[in-house]
Amino acid sequence: GAVVSQHPSRVICKSGTSVKIECRSLDFQATTMFWYRQFPKQSLMLMATSNEGSKATYEQGVEKDKFLINHASLTLSTLTVTSAHPEDSSFYICSARDLAGGTNTGELFFGEGSRLTVL
Amino acid sequence: QKEVEQDPGPLSVPEGAIVSLNCTYSNSAFQYFMWYRQYSRKGPELLMYTYSSGNKEDGRFTAQVDKSSKYISLFIRDSQPSDSATYLCAMTHSGYALNFGKGTSLLVTP
Repeated sequence: GAVVSQHPSRVICKSGTSVKIECRSLDFQATTMFWYRQFPKQSLMLMATSNEGSKATYEQGVEKDKFLINHASLTLSTLTVTSAHPEDSSFYICSARDLAGGTNTGELFFGEGSRLTVL
Repeated sequence: QKEVEQDPGPLSVPEGAIVSLNCTYSNSAFQYFMWYRQYSRKGPELLMYTYSSGNKEDGRFTAQVDKSSKYISLFIRDSQPSDSATYLCAMTHSGYALNFGKGTSLLVTP
């Protein structure tokens, strides 16, 4: 099946630094990728929708200047957490939809997630 | 009211039991319904995907959708300790971003 690779799987950083997380679709092309955040024992919350070649669409309450999303190609989207703070510590998960799967199927493939810990 | 409601559990069953996991939703526009399984510290993986009302079976798993009641279920037959995980229901109408339930934590004891 389709594979989405996310890197790094785990990162620890100091408060105030920036962290970049990569999301790659390994064997398919994805015009749209999604970034979710999951706090412990909570569900996945959509942060933003990343569209190849255009600006990302952010959900209400998500700071676009803090969570920079770049979708430079059909197989790569990056999320940069700028000036990270301890409250940004969370599990970040990306997902992508296989173009070949047709439109409006809603089926997504998820990366393994990146656990960010900000000290 | 949240669009998708799911009892977080935890749910503990003995090995071999039939497990029933459920979600309710409020948005009648939802058309696509999924169940994801998430092991600790891992990303979710798609288990089942249904489009219409009715049942869909895949091995030990059966997904059931009742659009009239806005209720979906996932049944696991002959549950195994390896089934211990968090199960998330998800649904969408736009075909893109999913609306997730909180997830139900399942523990299958040997």
